[in-house]
Amino acid sequence: AQSVAQPEDQVNVAEGNPLTVKCTYSVSGNPYLFWYVQYPNRGLQFLLKYITGDNLVKGSYGFEAEFNKSQTSFHLKKPSALVSDSALYFCAVRDTKGSARQLTFGSGTQLTVLP
Amino acid sequence: EAEVAQSPRYKITEKSQAVAFWCDPISGHATLYWYRQILGQGPELLVQFQDESVVDDSQLPKDRFSAERLKGVDSTLKIQPAELGDSAMYLCASSLTRGNTEAFFGQGTRLTVV
Repeated sequence: AQSVAQPEDQVNVAEGNPLTVKCTYSVSGNPYLFWYVQYPNRGLQFLLKYITGDNLVKGSYGFEAEFNKSQTSFHLKKPSALVSDSALYFCAVRDTKGSARQLTFGSGTQLTVLP
Repeated sequence: EAEVAQSPRYKITEKSQAVAFWCDPISGHATLYWYRQILGQGPELLVQFQDESVVDDSQLPKDRFSAERLKGVDSTLKIQPAELGDSAMYLCASSLTRGNTEAFFGQGTRLTVV
C-alpha cells in the first residue's frame, strides 16, 4: 500500500530565511508526487508536482521541491520565506502501479513564518 | 478560471439524520474524489470515481455512507444516519485523469453533527 510521511507537525522559520518542509513516500511502482497548501477553512491548492525528468521542480509562489529517489523523499523548499506563506502544507503521492491509482496525502505540516 | 463547486459550504445536522453533499467537478475531468478531513489532519480518501464508475471505495463506511456519479459529471455523497464522529470537512476534488495530472479541490463542506 502506498503511504506518505510528513515527519514534522510544525515548522517555524523567520521571514527572509529559507524554509524546508519534509516529505517521504512509499509506493510499489514509480511515484507521481504533489504538494498542496491549505488556508483555514478552505480547500487545498495545488503548488507543484513531480512526474519525471529533472529532480528539481518549480511551482507557484516561489516554491520548489527536490525529488530524491534513493531517499524516497520530496522536500518542499523556498529560498526566502514570507509571513503570507504561513499555512498547512500537504504532500501527496500517486502510485503508477495499480488500477485505481489513489491520491494519498500525508498528515500535513503547519508552517509558521515569524515576522 | 474553472473551479470545483461544492454545496453547501456549512451544514449542521442532528445525529441520526440524513445529510447530503453535492459536487460539480471541472468540466472534462474524468476522475472525481471525495475526501474527509478531520481538523488538523490530512485528507482521507473515501471514494474515487472514474467517469461514472467507482474505482476505489475501500475506506467508505458503506453501512452509512453512499456516493454516486450517475452521468459521470456531478456527484452526491450521502450519510444516513449521521453520527457525532462524522463531524469533519468533506472535500471534493477532480482531475483530468488518474495519471500524472494534479487534482483540483473545491472549498469543502464543513459538517457538524450535534
